[in-house]
Amino acid sequence: NAGVTQTPKFQVLKTGQSMTLQCAQDMNHEYMSWYRQDPGMGLRLIHYSVGAGITDQGEVPNGYNVSRSTTEDFPLRLLSAAPSQTSVYFCASTRLGGSSYEQYFGPGTRLTVT
Amino acid sequence: AQSVTQLDSHVSVSEGTPVLLRCNYSSSYSPSLFWYVQHPNKGLQLLLKYTSAATLVKGINGFEAEFKKSETSFHLTKPSAHMSDAAEYFCVVSRAPGNTGKLIFGQGTTLQVKP
Repeated sequence: NAGVTQTPKFQVLKTGQSMTLQCAQDMNHEYMSWYRQDPGMGLRLIHYSVGAGITDQGEVPNGYNVSRSTTEDFPLRLLSAAPSQTSVYFCASTRLGGSSYEQYFGPGTRLTVT
Repeated sequence: AQSVTQLDSHVSVSEGTPVLLRCNYSSSYSPSLFWYVQHPNKGLQLLLKYTSAATLVKGINGFEAEFKKSETSFHLTKPSAHMSDAAEYFCVVSRAPGNTGKLIFGQGTTLQVKP
């Protein structure tokens, strides 16, 4: 299994540009989520999904859109990039219910908005 | 509401000495608690978890944590630090009962290990 994969690894955008961060998992996990990591703030939840066709907002959803058309993929869209969105973005997935509780994280995308 | 506070943003130890990373939590129900580790420029990896079974939880790489309800704490310890333990550590609490996937992360503690 490849686990959770994210592309690109690095990206530089100008203010106002749009882009999509890709996330895919091959573990057939129902739950997928996006976090952003900023220094001294831990990871904050942006959006999450409990299955194909179902998405919901996390703590910091403004400026981001998501969709979940398949179990495997959960892309994050920045509609009009702002310098405040400079961050490291992590995608994660897990199997709901059960006793594992472990979330699997991708390697991250480092985004800089100038 | 659930929350988690890591009491130290930076901890420095010498190789071979004990490690203590402190975490307090607040929860309106019996929580699930986790420690995750992030090595430089890497993703996060689960170290250990508490999900209402034994209060002393053993994880990977010799780490363990004890759930203390009376103190609302879940401190991470290791008897002897290794250079490879240098990383950022996150204490995490579940947002809702059960395995719903929703997590709240602490601010992180950077562990420095000196030779």
